[in-house]
This record gives sequence, structure tokens and C-alpha cells, in this order.
Amino acid sequence: ETGVTQTPRHLVMGMTNKKSLKCEQHLGHNAMYWYKQSAKKPLELMFVYNFKEQTENNSVPSRFSPECPNSSHLFLHLHTLQPEDSALYLCASSYGGPDTQYFGPGTRLTVL
Amino acid sequence: AQSVTQLGSHVSVSEGALVLLRCNYSSSVPPYLFWYVQYPNQGLQLLLKYTSAATLVKGINGFEAEFKKSETSFHLTKPSAHMSDAAEYFCAVSGPGANSKLTFGKGITLSVRP
Repeated sequence: ETGVTQTPRHLVMGMTNKKSLKCEQHLGHNAMYWYKQSAKKPLELMFVYNFKEQTENNSVPSRFSPECPNSSHLFLHLHTLQPEDSALYLCASSYGGPDTQYFGPGTRLTVL
Repeated sequence: AQSVTQLGSHVSVSEGALVLLRCNYSSSVPPYLFWYVQYPNQGLQLLLKYTSAATLVKGINGFEAEFKKSETSFHLTKPSAHMSDAAEYFCAVSGPGANSKLTFGKGITLSVRP
């Protein structure tokens, strides 16, 4: 498989559930990103990892917890989410800095 | 600080007509500028990018954009729209440094009428 993959593609969860989103890149990149895409709003950068180290946390609530075990995998652990957290969550990877970012297809999250 | 402004949320053109999607940027450093496209139920795909070389940048699917520093603009154009161009288009700006981040505009939805 090539490019950036994300699983699951769709997720419905209650406010008390715990779930995780997974992202995997097969491009040899060293930087990985989580974005939140809500309707009628610009993409919001959530987290950035470079060589497995978190280099950016864009004031994201603690109910979102990222994990980057290696340069190819990125997780977003979710717990006690709110309905306003419903959105498309996109993962991307790149060689860092201004290099082109390559995006996965996203996980459509619905919080009930 | 950097920002991007994409005026309007929706553009509709007839098949075969010119496509013009506007983007204005603000940047305190020499900008890198990008246009991405998002088709339904997919992630973002790079159309083209400007990295301080030629000011007229050609991308995939017949799209091009021209960097105009005096106007702080990076408008996206295509001479003749196809039905398959219907999608959401995002302009983004980054700085040149290793720690630079992409800042996106809110996007424009392009509809193509038969």
C-alpha cells in the first residue's frame, strides 16, 4: 500500500467512549501531522511530530492525546469527547518545514 | 505570522468556461504558497506550489497560478472547466524555515454546470 492511510474511515462514538484513530505513511517522511476539518472553517492544525518528537501542540484539549511510536505511524487517542468534536480528522506527512504535505483520506468522526 | 484569505465560499462555472479562484496572502517572510484540492470523501491533494522560483506555476489537471507580490495574490486559474473539476479548493501559505507550518484558507467549493 502506498501514500498515507487512515483507519477507521468512519467512527461514531458516545461521549464516554475511548477510541483511537490510526495513520500510517509509506513515503519515508519524517514529519506527521493531525488536522481537524470542520464545516465552513479552515483546516486546524492540531499536532506535529518530527522524527517521533512532538514539535507542535496547537492548544488542543487534553481529551485528544497523540502518539507517534515511529516515523511511519501516528495515533490520535480520543476520550470523553464532546459533540462539537465531530469533524473530519486528517493525517498528513512530509519531509518537514515548507515541504509538500501528503494527506490521508481522513476519519469522519461523529460524537453523539 | 501568516494568513490566507479566500473570498467567497462557492464559485459556479459552466463546463468549458474559465475557472478563477482567488487567494490573497499575508506573510512577514518570503512565502511558500500552495493550492490543494479535495474531492468528496477524500483527503487533500496538491495541485501546485510556489517556492520562490518562477512566478507562474503550472500544476496538475491543467491548473496554474501566478504569484504577484505587489498584490499579495496567488490566484488559481484553468482555461476550460471540466465536470471532474468540481471539488473544494484550498489555498495555503508557509514560511521557508524548517519549523514552518502550513496555514490554510477556509476553502472554496467549485461547481461546474453542464
